[in-house]
Amino acid sequence: DGGITQSPKYLFRKEGQNVTLSCEQNLNHDAMYWYRQDPGQGLRLIYYSQIVNDFQKGDIAEGYSVSREKKESFPLTVTSAQKNPTAFYLCASSTWTGDTDTQYFGPGTRLTVL
Amino acid sequence: GENVEQHPSTLSVQEGDSAVIKCTYSDSASNYFPWYKQELGKRPQLIIDIRSNVGEKKDQRIAVTLNKTAKHFSLHITETQPEDSAVYFCAATISADGLTFGKGTHLIIQP
Repeated sequence: DGGITQSPKYLFRKEGQNVTLSCEQNLNHDAMYWYRQDPGQGLRLIYYSQIVNDFQKGDIAEGYSVSREKKESFPLTVTSAQKNPTAFYLCASSTWTGDTDTQYFGPGTRLTVL
Repeated sequence: GENVEQHPSTLSVQEGDSAVIKCTYSDSASNYFPWYKQELGKRPQLIIDIRSNVGEKKDQRIAVTLNKTAKHFSLHITETQPEDSAVYFCAATISADGLTFGKGTHLIIQP
């Protein structure tokens, strides 16, 4: 887990503003993921990427965008189109070897819209 | 897409007793089933996982069972201790696709 970092830990945004959450990993993992967690709820998949320069929408992609220009980095942009962005955002990565698909999570970013 | 149901939402057990959390999934193609433990304000931590070619896996006080025919899997914690108190999530996926999580079980260990 120590090989996945997210920044910032806390983020405050005004309505109508876009904001970008950082996720970096030094584990040499091929796959990276973004999840959203609301209070008292499970995690929901926003986007994922199995290889550089390629990514797929998850269950709740509307109002979010991502890029995967480097293997180590998978930033998430929360756009003004996201109607209810206040949540805990978790990034994860995995090796995707076929034998083990364990996803390791970063420490998370707590986003609050003011 | 995949749908994962998890029960119960809250489970209170006496210290030293066993705890069982159950999950069902909908997509028969799912082949990887991890369990995560999450403490308040922290990231989820993997505690055990199982693949679809295995029926049971054990790691000390924790075990997971999988019934592919019925499409359900369960987490068993024996000899519960105060530090086991947390929220537990089951999940399912196909290989490197994103995980589909259950809504979580708040496990409370009573002294």
